[in-house]
Amino acid sequence: KNEVEQSPQNLTAQEGEFITINCSYSVGISALHWLQQHPGGGIVSLFMLSSGKKKHGRLIATINIQEKHSSLHITASHPRDSAVYICAVPYRSGGGADGLTFGKGTHLIIQP
Amino acid sequence: DVKVTQSSRYLVKRTGEKVFLECVQDMDHENMFWYRQDPGLGLRLIYFSYDVKMKEKGDIPEGYSVSREKKERFSLILESASTNQTSMYLCASSFRRQGLGYTFGSGTRLTVV
Repeated sequence: KNEVEQSPQNLTAQEGEFITINCSYSVGISALHWLQQHPGGGIVSLFMLSSGKKKHGRLIATINIQEKHSSLHITASHPRDSAVYICAVPYRSGGGADGLTFGKGTHLIIQP
Repeated sequence: DVKVTQSSRYLVKRTGEKVFLECVQDMDHENMFWYRQDPGLGLRLIYFSYDVKMKEKGDIPEGYSVSREKKERFSLILESASTNQTSMYLCASSFRRQGLGYTFGSGTRLTVV
């Protein structure tokens, strides 16, 4: 079973700062997910990536398959980015039929 | 707009009751999943299904069962609810190929009293 470590657990920053959240996993994977959860429970998929880098607006996700490590960056952070960010990988190596196993999440607060 | 719909947002049940949580998706996804989310423990996989009538156990299947009679519907059953099953339950679905299109429902907060 894959294990996921995410850091930091909590992060408070000022508006405009560059934010980095890190994720490491134990078993080789086909793809890694970054998710966002706002207060109230709704989870939104931000990225699914299997190599290199993806960008969506001010969010950038990178992955290094050899090092089993991924990072999520937020540029020019804004209070509306305040949320829990969760890294997730397949429950077992290989196969899209698997569920996901999740990091414990990073609780991000962006202060105005 | 594609959706994963969970039948209840909030549910209160008594200890020992049989509880059904329903999830329906309209994206023709092969895979469907049930997770629970608890403070400090994060999201954990209870059961998943990759086809009609197929199911596999996740991390924490004890005390739960599932049913998938139709492709679009995946039910989670608590045979005899207990207070330690008080939690947020999240359903999700995806395409079989590499989990593309992963989509979550909005969750059901279950309280067992």
